[in-house]
Amino acid sequence: AQSVTQLDSQVPVFEEAPVELRCNYSSSVSVYLFWYVQYPNQGLQLLLKYLSGSTLVKGINGFEAEFNKSQTSFHLRKPSVHISDTAEYFCAVSDNQGGKLIFGQGTELSVKP
Amino acid sequence: GAVVSQHPSWVICKSGTSVKIECRSLDFQATTMFWYRQFPKQSLMLMATSNEGSKATYEQGVEKDKFLINHASLTLSTLTVTSAHPEDSSFYICSAPSGTASGTQYFGPGTRLTVL
Repeated sequence: AQSVTQLDSQVPVFEEAPVELRCNYSSSVSVYLFWYVQYPNQGLQLLLKYLSGSTLVKGINGFEAEFNKSQTSFHLRKPSVHISDTAEYFCAVSDNQGGKLIFGQGTELSVKP
Repeated sequence: GAVVSQHPSWVICKSGTSVKIECRSLDFQATTMFWYRQFPKQSLMLMATSNEGSKATYEQGVEKDKFLINHASLTLSTLTVTSAHPEDSSFYICSAPSGTASGTQYFGPGTRLTVL
């Protein structure tokens, strides 16, 4: 069975500071990894995804993530955050492209001026 | 990009009544759709996989007789919450894979159900 653990439930950070949101997964088969962002009372928006190839994945809004198979991690990073990045971030895993997603618990990113 | 819509966006109903939520893929066909439930300040939990032309596949612990899923066409899946109770109040979200090798899934905006 697959599972996803997001190690931080809340991450407060000041504007223009770097941020890392941590995600670890477990899976017995090949994995496809995703990061989604959810703004209040809205649906999910895809930030980035890892399907294969380069382990460093760049997404929208300046975010990037690195797939580390040995550490079973897929941490999300941004070198300089903005107030508008305040949202809930979800890491998710699937065992096939377009298959059902298993989500982590979510990390609330709060960017303060 | 592809869009998935949900209707209604929010609904309030009395305990014991049934509520139907629609999920539509607007510019692509989806033989499979997924239904998730999200309680306040919590993650999305997969409820079931909706399959066009066949029965839905429910996750462990989800009552299939309570949450009826019908995948009527290649662009429409419906979730009916039967005999709703206050504990069913939640945010229901559907998604549909793009069907391409991109691995992209498109999420609907969600439906907030409040059962009084």
